[in-house]
Parts: sequence; structure tokens; C-alpha cells
Amino acid sequence: DAGVIQSPRHEVTEMGQEVTLRCKPISGHNSLFWYRQTMMRGLELLIYFNNNVPIDDSGMPEDRFSAKMPNASFSTLKIQPSEPRDSAVYFCASSLYGGSGGGSSYNEQFFGPGTRLTVL
Amino acid sequence: KQEVTQIPAALSVPEGENLVLNCSFTDSAIYNLQWFRQDPGKGLTSLLLIQSSQREQTSGRLNASLDKSSGRSTLYIAASQPGDSATYLCAVNSGYSTLTFGKGTMLLVSP
Repeated sequence: DAGVIQSPRHEVTEMGQEVTLRCKPISGHNSLFWYRQTMMRGLELLIYFNNNVPIDDSGMPEDRFSAKMPNASFSTLKIQPSEPRDSAVYFCASSLYGGSGGGSSYNEQFFGPGTRLTVL
Repeated sequence: KQEVTQIPAALSVPEGENLVLNCSFTDSAIYNLQWFRQDPGKGLTSLLLIQSSQREQTSGRLNASLDKSSGRSTLYIAASQPGDSATYLCAVNSGYSTLTFGKGTMLLVSP
């Protein structure tokens, strides 16, 4: 398996522009997560999907951020308009959510390589 | 709200030493705990996952323990190597698969 795939790996844009980050989860996984990592705040969960449905978006900083998961193999995180304070590394992760049962691999999250976003 | 703390923030050891990284969490009602490794400029690599019903997990030179009642986990690295140099992150799953991360321990193993 190729693992979680993210694109682009690097994005440099100017303030006010729209930015779209893309993620392809591991095939067969039913949960997808978007995280943001900064030096100051570390890793923070932005939004979480289960079976393509957004479950918890309480970490989305503001209305400028939106995320979609149109099917089980693709998700996007969009920032419109972008601001310099959005500069960070954005990670996508996926897992197989098995509820309270299952073996040791249930709920283990696997991360993509991240997208480094710089907003000038 | 779950809070995860990792101590020390940074650690430097000579090659060959055994070492312990610490992780503590404030809410013991967890589902599982996961240790990750992050190399500079890279993504996170899952090292070990401990379910709430387990006390420890082992993978090669790595051993992770979990004491849920006291809100603590440790990652033991045996016979450290320069290739172990990275940031190690502890993350707690408190429900619905969402992880709360610590700030990490930056490890440097010198030859």
C-alpha cells in the first residue's frame, strides 16, 4: 500500500488567495483526519470524518477553513482567503475505526507526509 | 479537556545507551495511546499502539508501557543508535479516534 498520499507537498501563496490541500487515505480505512502542526501549538486536530461524514469540526479555526470528503478515497481542506497565520504543516491521517472491539491495529492512525503551507 | 505532557522536551545521549521517554495525560478515560516518530521535515511514523486494556507493547528495541490509572506512559528505547535521532510524539485517543498530542521529545543520539 502506498500509504496516505497528500498533495501538494509544498505550497507558497499570497495572502488572500485560495488554497486547496488534497488527501488520499489508505484504501479500506473508514476514518480520515486533518491536523495542523506549528511550532507554537504543536499538532492540532482540525476535523475528522468517519465513513465520509464530518464528525467533529470543532478544531477548524474559523469559517475560512472548510473540508470535504466526497468519497472514501479523497478529501480536501480549503482555506479561503488565506492569511499569514495559516502558515503551518498540514497533515492528513487515516485509520480503520473498529469501535470497542478488534485487534491491536484498530484505530491506529497513519499519517501522510504533510503539506508545508507558507502564506506571504 | 485532555492534556498531554511529554518530558523531557529534549534529550541527548551517546550511542548505546538505554533511555526512557515519558508521557502523561490528565484524563485517564482513554481508548488507546499511540507513540509516533517524526523526522525533521517529515510526516509521523507510527511506532506502537497500546489499547486501554493493555499494559505494554513491544516492537524490536522499543517497548511502550501504559498505566492508565496514573495517566502515564513510557517509551523505552534499548541500545540507542544515531538513526533513532528524531522527535518522539505521544498521542492519546480519548474517544471517536481523535488524538490529543504532546509537544514531543526531541532525541539526539550521538555516535
